[in-house]
Amino acid sequence: SAVISQKPSRDICQRGTSLTIQCQVDSQVTMMFWYRQQPGQSLTLIATANQGSEATYESGFVIDKFPISRPNLTFSTLTVSNMSPEDSSIYLCSVCLPAGVGYEQYFGPGTRLTVT
Amino acid sequence: SQKIEQNSEALNIQEGKTATLTCNYTNYSPAYLQWYRQDPGRGPVFLLLIRENEKEKRKERLKVTFDTTLKQSLFHITASQPADSATYLCALTGGGNKLTFGTGTQLKVEL
Repeated sequence: SAVISQKPSRDICQRGTSLTIQCQVDSQVTMMFWYRQQPGQSLTLIATANQGSEATYESGFVIDKFPISRPNLTFSTLTVSNMSPEDSSIYLCSVCLPAGVGYEQYFGPGTRLTVT
Repeated sequence: SQKIEQNSEALNIQEGKTATLTCNYTNYSPAYLQWYRQDPGRGPVFLLLIRENEKEKRKERLKVTFDTTLKQSLFHITASQPADSATYLCALTGGGNKLTFGTGTQLKVEL
């Protein structure tokens, strides 16, 4: 299993500013994932972050808006840039660990972001 | 386009009964299907994984079925308890690590 922590747990930000969310895992993992969960919605994958390479972004998400760093195998950051109220959401990081012939994903507690 | 549908209406059941949640998908050939539990203000927690060639999987009071012909998975909680109240998400993957989540169904178990 994996234990994941995120900072901050919540924040209220003004539009036009940026917020960097940190994700720390208690073991070394190759791939980390960043998700967004808007109010009442399910999880949407933003990007996959591999250590030592550029993050891979999903359709609808771009690096300029959501730059990601992955400096080592236990840590990643997601920045939400030039925020607008539409960015108000919960942001979650997760990791995948092998489980038999498949994978289990472990999630952090999330960062609740409100943009005013 | 790929679609994963879960009943958006909350499911209310009485303690001790079996809760059955449904996950339907279209335009997808998943290799694995997973179920997660999410409590308010928390990240999802992995519950069960079932492979495309498995019909059923059990873990304690949980049972998952996977019918690739019907493109449907059923998630059962037997002898339900108020502590089982949460939102349950199904998620599919084509075989890699990338998961696509359904919208989730809220379960409320009443005394």
